[in-house]
Amino acid sequence: ETGVTQSPTHLIKTRGQQVTLRCSSQSGHNTVSWYQQALGQGPQFIFQYYREEENGRGNFPPRFSGLQFPNYSSELNVNALELDDSALYLCASSLGREYNSPLHFGNGTRLTVT
Amino acid sequence: AQSVTQPDIHITVSEGASLELRCNYSYGATPYLFWYVQSPGQGLQLLLKYFSGDTLVQGIKGFEAEFKRSQSSFNLRKPSVHWSDAAEYFCAVGAKGGGSYIPTFGRGTSLIVHP
Repeated sequence: ETGVTQSPTHLIKTRGQQVTLRCSSQSGHNTVSWYQQALGQGPQFIFQYYREEENGRGNFPPRFSGLQFPNYSSELNVNALELDDSALYLCASSLGREYNSPLHFGNGTRLTVT
Repeated sequence: AQSVTQPDIHITVSEGASLELRCNYSYGATPYLFWYVQSPGQGLQLLLKYFSGDTLVQGIKGFEAEFKRSQSSFNLRKPSVHWSDAAEYFCAVGAKGGGSYIPTFGRGTSLIVHP
């Protein structure tokens, strides 16, 4: 069983640029959630995709957007990067969007904005 | 909206000692509660979860947690800590929103284990 994989593992961007982060969900999982984890903080929910449609969104501006593909992999796009976007971005997949579907996390992408 | 408070930023224990990590939640309905562990450079791993029923739940790696509705708490315990338990621990409360389940995480407690 292949777990959740994220790419790249590390990324350095300049303020104002755009970035795309990628996530391959665990085999058979149709739901993907994205989280932002700032240094010393818990993960903050960005949004969730279920069967290729956005299924919930946290308190993040529209410059944070995403996609889910037919194979349930997903992308997180961030436009007009700001210094405060520097964080660990975590992807989690689950078999369904219900409360009893455990989240399986990837190891994250560390984004640094300079 | 739900929220989670983990009052201890750091906890230091000696190997072999017992451990209790505190978690308090705020949520208007019956909460779904979780504990996750994050080792350095890794994603989060689910330790245990509470949905309903027995208020004492057992998890992986010898951890357990007790749900106390009257205290709005879900504290994590382990009777004897191993050096490999050193990590960041996150409590989370889940709630239904718009047809989906969205967990809210606390800020975490860093566990330091002395030999």
